[in-house]
Amino acid sequence: DAGITQSPRHKVTETGTPVTLRCHQTENHRYMYWYRQDPGHGLRLIHYSYGVKDTDKGEVSDGYSVSRSKTEDFLLTLESATSSQTSVYFCAISEEVAEGGELFFGEGSRLTVL
Amino acid sequence: AQSVTQLGSHVSVSEGALVLLRCNYSSSVPPYLFWYVQYPNQGLQLLLKYTTGATLVKGINGFEAEFKKSETSFHLTKPSAHMSDAAEYFCAVSDNFGNEKLTFGTGTRLTIIP
Repeated sequence: DAGITQSPRHKVTETGTPVTLRCHQTENHRYMYWYRQDPGHGLRLIHYSYGVKDTDKGEVSDGYSVSRSKTEDFLLTLESATSSQTSVYFCAISEEVAEGGELFFGEGSRLTVL
Repeated sequence: AQSVTQLGSHVSVSEGALVLLRCNYSSSVPPYLFWYVQYPNQGLQLLLKYTTGATLVKGINGFEAEFKKSETSFHLTKPSAHMSDAAEYFCAVSDNFGNEKLTFGTGTRLTIIP
């Protein structure tokens, strides 16, 4: 199994509070991704990174920011959580998707915003 | 822009029957196509992928899929369903022009009837 650890795995928070989710990999893969999974929507890309300090937006990036200061860590921050951000968040890594490479997923972080 | 459409959010088949999960894609450039599977409370894992070459691709657990350019389809099949196949299945597309991002479909939940 790919070495991907997401933390926390479960979190309940209140509207307006900041939240940070962490993804840690031991594979030294270049690409890291944050997706959210919601019923009826499948997986939607929030942000991704193609190297240290190199990040870009996905299709649902509003209300989220990311940082990657080390190859192994990719942080997703909700500056002021809203109920619409209640979701399951998945981190994924890849050596090279552009060449048809495989995405490896973490086990998910379930976030509930009350 | 690229997209995938999965027909049928829920599919039920009897154990031993044929499994057919449908995926149609839209892409302005030659696509890479993927099927991922998600078991309960887990992240996604790759079943199979099409990049170039043979249009019939075989994956893990007896699944296969055929890339049909004329029909813009990449349907997933398995001749004989097993109880362990119960999961959610996601079709995904990327392009082969250096796009690092995958676009996922909304998923199909497969139920196996004993």
